[in-house]
Amino acid sequence: DVKVTQSSRYLVKRTGEKVFLECVQDMDHENMFWYRQDPGLGLRLIYFSYDVKMKEKGDIPEGYSVSREKKERFSLILESASTNQTSMYLCASSLTRFGNEKLFFGSGTQLSVL
Amino acid sequence: DQQVKQNSPSLSVQEGRISILNCDYTNSMFDYFLWYKKYPAEGPTFLISISSIKDKNEDGRFTVFLNKSAKHLSLHIVPSQPGDSAVYFCAANRPLGGGADGLTFGKGTHLIIQP
Repeated sequence: DVKVTQSSRYLVKRTGEKVFLECVQDMDHENMFWYRQDPGLGLRLIYFSYDVKMKEKGDIPEGYSVSREKKERFSLILESASTNQTSMYLCASSLTRFGNEKLFFGSGTQLSVL
Repeated sequence: DQQVKQNSPSLSVQEGRISILNCDYTNSMFDYFLWYKKYPAEGPTFLISISSIKDKNEDGRFTVFLNKSAKHLSLHIVPSQPGDSAVYFCAANRPLGGGADGLTFGKGTHLIIQP
């Protein structure tokens, strides 16, 4: 089975801090994604990457950046955390960038910004 | 602009009965649909999918129906079990930047199975 691992299950940070969320997948997948899940809003795409060093904005990229230096690792960066970034963050990967692929998700990181 | 809509935030069903979760979409270019199940504090897990060339796909207790003319799909769970209590997300495959494909999700329906 594909394993997508997110480094932290719970994080508490202060407003203005720089925050790094790490994600690693072990199945040589091309595509990696960062979503956030909020009650009543579903899953919204923040950023994705289809190759090493490639990144594309999703639907809600403001306040975030990403890094993909190795194929298996995709990092989400909150440059200056704000309270409205308190959320459940979900990393996902899929085999190829083309066609109809299902996503495999990590367990999520619940981030609280105080 | 929400392209995948789940209009029921929650649904309560008695154990052993059929659960029907609904999903509507607006983009006629969508050609592949998926359902995901999510428990609290866990990531979503893939449940079942359907291609637009089909109108039904079945996997054990789970069946997904697709009505392309109505831009509507539904997930049927029968019989419903307590472990089915979760949030269910409908998703559609869509083109993203860089020639890549990805998923757009509905807001989810919280299914509660009553004993």
